[in-house]
Amino acid sequence: GAVVSQHPSRVICKSGTSVKIECRSLDFQATTMFWYRQFPKQSLMLMATSNEGSKATYEQGVEKDKFLINHASLTLSTLTVTSAHPEDSSFYICSAVAGTSGSGEQFFGPGTRLTVL
Amino acid sequence: QKEVEQDPGPLSVPEGAIVSLNCTYSNSAFQYFMWYRQYSRKGPELLMYTYSSGNKEDGRFTAQVDKSSKYISLFIRDSQPSDSATYLCAMSTGGKSTFGDGTTLTVKP
Repeated sequence: GAVVSQHPSRVICKSGTSVKIECRSLDFQATTMFWYRQFPKQSLMLMATSNEGSKATYEQGVEKDKFLINHASLTLSTLTVTSAHPEDSSFYICSAVAGTSGSGEQFFGPGTRLTVL
Repeated sequence: QKEVEQDPGPLSVPEGAIVSLNCTYSNSAFQYFMWYRQYSRKGPELLMYTYSSGNKEDGRFTAQVDKSSKYISLFIRDSQPSDSATYLCAMSTGGKSTFGDGTTLTVKP
């Protein structure tokens, strides 16, 4: 099946620093990728929709200047958490939609656990 | 009110039991209905995917969708300890998915 990777799998950083998380579709192209955040014992909350070659669409309440998304190619999207604070500590999961229609099956990455000290 | 409500659990059953996991939804625009399994500290993996009312079977898993009642279920037959995980229902329209909060299942040997 289709594989989505994330890097790094785990990151610990100091408050005030920026962290970049990569999401790659390894064996398929994805026009659309999604970024989710999951707090302990809670569900996945959609943060933003990343479209290749255009600006990301952010969900209500998600600060676009804090969570920078770049989708520069059909296989790579990056999420940068700028000036991270302890409340940003969470499990960040991306998914990639197979194909170019944006409405096909989603394949999820393994997630990145961010801890901000 | 949330768009997707999932029975909270947790659920603990003996090995071999039949498990029923349930979600309701309010948005009639949802077109696709999914069940994901998520192990601790891992990303979700797709178990079942359907877009029409009725039953869909895959091995020990059966997904049931009732669009008129806005209700979906996942049944697991002959449950195994390896089925212990958190199960998330999800529904999508326009490529965007909305997830339930998950039900944590423990199958005891």
